[in-house]
Amino acid sequence: SQELEQSPQSLIVQEGKNLTINCTSSKTLYGLYWYKQKYGEGLIFLMMLQKGGEEKSHEKITAKLDEKKQQSSLHITASQPSHAGIYLCGAAHSGGGADGLTFGKGTHLIIQP
Amino acid sequence: ETGVTQTPRHLVMGMTNKKSLKCEQHLGHNAMYWYKQSAKKPLELMFVYNFKEQTENNSVPSRFSPECPNSSHLFLHLHTLQPEDSALYLCASSQVFAGLYEQYFGPGTRLTVT
Repeated sequence: SQELEQSPQSLIVQEGKNLTINCTSSKTLYGLYWYKQKYGEGLIFLMMLQKGGEEKSHEKITAKLDEKKQQSSLHITASQPSHAGIYLCGAAHSGGGADGLTFGKGTHLIIQP
Repeated sequence: ETGVTQTPRHLVMGMTNKKSLKCEQHLGHNAMYWYKQSAKKPLELMFVYNFKEQTENNSVPSRFSPECPNSSHLFLHLHTLQPEDSALYLCASSQVFAGLYEQYFGPGTRLTVT
């Protein structure tokens, strides 16, 4: 089974609607990262969450970390075509150095005009 | 140049070839990473370099050989690859102190092994 489960795997949303993507870890989280990727390109850093209950926002994107549930959610308000892409969550399971991240499979987001 | 750059962006190589991927970070970071992204699989960590020292090798076959001559440059030397090694190879960097740190990625090299 996957260390990081993302849901849904894909999502088609009408422009202007809100949406939520979830990421659940089977291992203890030290930190949780959200990235966006256009197909075949690099990852664009969105947000990093560490403390339980932490919530961060960037433009119309908000992410929260539920430490007890080992879970994070990414919420997009009033979606736009520019939000389309693949959203990836990455987990740090320790903070003691330059550890790499473990990633989920991603959520493909399509915005319909 | 800003951020993390990777060259080449696309590479096609035969199984008997030897090639190298290059990554350069212009962020003043002290840690660099190689990741592999294959179709339908999660992004996989391959190697970690912290202050030019390799601190993690995630059970990667020896046909992949990393090199980190300084904190700004990272190479991935490739030889006798297999078709299943075809993937997007991503480089990342971060500034490591204690605790968490933001990790920034390059645009990737799309590798096709024929």
